[in-house]
Amino acid sequence: GDSVTQTKGPVTLSEGTSLTVNCSYETKQYPTLFWYVQYPGEGPQLLFKVPKANEKGSNRGFEATYDKGTTSFHLQKASVQESDSAVYYCVLGDQGSNYQLIWGSGTKLIIKP
Amino acid sequence: EAAVTQSPRNKVAVTGGKVTLSCNQTNNHNNMYWYRQDTGHGLRLIHYSYGAGSTEKGDIPDGYKASRPSQENFSLILELATPSQTSVYFCASGEDWGQNTLYFGAGTRLSVL
Repeated sequence: GDSVTQTKGPVTLSEGTSLTVNCSYETKQYPTLFWYVQYPGEGPQLLFKVPKANEKGSNRGFEATYDKGTTSFHLQKASVQESDSAVYYCVLGDQGSNYQLIWGSGTKLIIKP
Repeated sequence: EAAVTQSPRNKVAVTGGKVTLSCNQTNNHNNMYWYRQDTGHGLRLIHYSYGAGSTEKGDIPDGYKASRPSQENFSLILELATPSQTSVYFCASGEDWGQNTLYFGAGTRLSVL
């Protein structure tokens, strides 16, 4: 079945450094890929989504490219801020699945000032 | 702005008691979902609904029931609560399949003693 595997956290970085959170997926379909972010005390919220292979999504300085060849969707940011501290989820949306969304296990990001 | 409201925000229940978690959305979305979030497991789907009167089992439905009496309201019911159901529960609403953007509530923290 479909699956999503992402970097196991927590990931601790200093403010101003670069970030990569790895995400790999498995599916036989043609999914939409998402990154959701969850701040402390809140529900997850959409960071961005990419419906087509070989396209890039971005928001708030974060970006990821939907790479069908390597089945990857790695999240990157050039310079993180303390306010980026949160849990990040890589998610697969399969049009053929009754469950709609397959969630990765989440990566907790801690940014130190 | 999409709005999903959960109540209560915090709940302490006794083992064997009945618990009802409520969710209201003002997005006019057809689809609604109940997830639970536990450390190490990310988000796991309990029940979902296509619209008023429908409920479907997700990945972990055992011990839970759901009710969708209207477009706006979706409840999660624990008939006989157990300590293993101690968790944070999230309700969400969304539109089409596969390319869903889900809009989450702020969550309900449930402790079963």
